[in-house]
Amino acid sequence: GENVEQHPSTLSVQEGDSAVIKCTYSDSASNYFPWYKQELGKRPQLIIDIRSNVGEKKDQRIAVTLNKTAKHFSLHITETQPEDSAVYFCAARGYSTLTFGKGTMLLVSP
Amino acid sequence: DGGITQSPKYLFRKEGQNVTLSCEQNLNHDAMYWYRQDPGQGLRLIYYSQIVNDFQKGDIAEGYSVSREKKESFPLTVTSAQKNPTAFYLCATLKPGRTDTQYFGPGTRLTVL
Repeated sequence: GENVEQHPSTLSVQEGDSAVIKCTYSDSASNYFPWYKQELGKRPQLIIDIRSNVGEKKDQRIAVTLNKTAKHFSLHITETQPEDSAVYFCAARGYSTLTFGKGTMLLVSP
Repeated sequence: DGGITQSPKYLFRKEGQNVTLSCEQNLNHDAMYWYRQDPGQGLRLIYYSQIVNDFQKGDIAEGYSVSREKKESFPLTVTSAQKNPTAFYLCATLKPGRTDTQYFGPGTRLTVL
């Protein structure tokens, strides 16, 4: 089955800096890659996603890039703010289910 | 994801007891999922159902059971066979279409005493 590796497990940045979280996947048939943000005690919320026929997608301060050949995708957050502090999960969809990475705790210091 | 409800929010159980977690949705989505979340482990799939009266095991189905008698409901039973059931349980539905977006319920935190 699919295996998703996510790095780093924790990331500390200063407000205004950029943050990058990277994921790799194993199943070349995976074709959909969402990113979720989860605040403490809350449900995961979809923040951005990308399909395998697209190399990059942006939404304001958030962008995702996908390299199908290397089987890795990344989340980029620019101009980080304290409210960006949360756990971020990447995921990959193969046939019918999502496989999640183990998460990255992002801490943005004022 | 406001159309997915899970109850109760917090649940305490004694060892050896079965307990059922509720998941209800009014989004008219066919597919529903149960995940377990432990610190540092991400989300792991327990069971999923793509249509009424049908469901499949996920990666960690041992010690759990489900039913899907109605489109709106997908309850999860944590049995006494689950050796380490303390966790945060999340129910999700899938909005079909080009993006296949998955939405999550608010979760149930189960603690075994």
